[in-house]
Amino acid sequence: GQSLEQPSEVTAVEGAIVQINCTYQTSGFYGLSWYQQHDGGAPTFLSYNALDGLEETGRFSSFLSRSDSYGYLLLQELQMKDSASYFCAVRGDTGGFKTIFGAGTRLFVKA
Amino acid sequence: EPEVTQTPSHQVTQMGQEVILRCVPISNHLYFYWYRQILGQKVEFLVSFYNNEISEKSEIFDDQFSVERPDGSNFTLKIRSTKLEDSAMYFCASSERWNTEAFFGQGTRLTVV
Repeated sequence: GQSLEQPSEVTAVEGAIVQINCTYQTSGFYGLSWYQQHDGGAPTFLSYNALDGLEETGRFSSFLSRSDSYGYLLLQELQMKDSASYFCAVRGDTGGFKTIFGAGTRLFVKA
Repeated sequence: EPEVTQTPSHQVTQMGQEVILRCVPISNHLYFYWYRQILGQKVEFLVSFYNNEISEKSEIFDDQFSVERPDGSNFTLKIRSTKLEDSAMYFCASSERWNTEAFFGQGTRLTVV
């Protein structure tokens, strides 16, 4: 089967850096994605890692280690608007493009 | 910027009724998905669709559910004999290729009473 684990909640202050970890178990692996979701909104794609290493997109970076079945999302220069839920998601080798989402990490950014 | 659009934004239905949720994926995308999110919970995969057929479905997607691409632009999710526990936000998503990011619509909030 497929499963993901990420912390349920993280709190940080404005301007700080926060890292949200994700460990996964899949049968086969085609990539780890990160999505942001504000309350009442739709998931918004942030980043995708298919290969080991760090991907940087502005204030957000994502890292993957396939040998450890582990990845993280790094948010820098936190802003109040970054308060949201962050989901890691994996696509495994089930043959049908199925993506499984983690339970989400609720990020609270304080002034 | 192209986007996935879903209608209606909110649907209230009586238990036992059938509902059809509609989606217009991004025009050059070939892969389509439906997800469900019960309030406060994670996003759950329902079904993926490619080349006019279901590619994969989850254990949630039983005989109560069906999907269709009735024309070149719409992608629908039909839920028959709705139950109270079907109340959730239903998201449609599409991607250009199987291994590229999925773009989500704003969702349809289904309330079964």
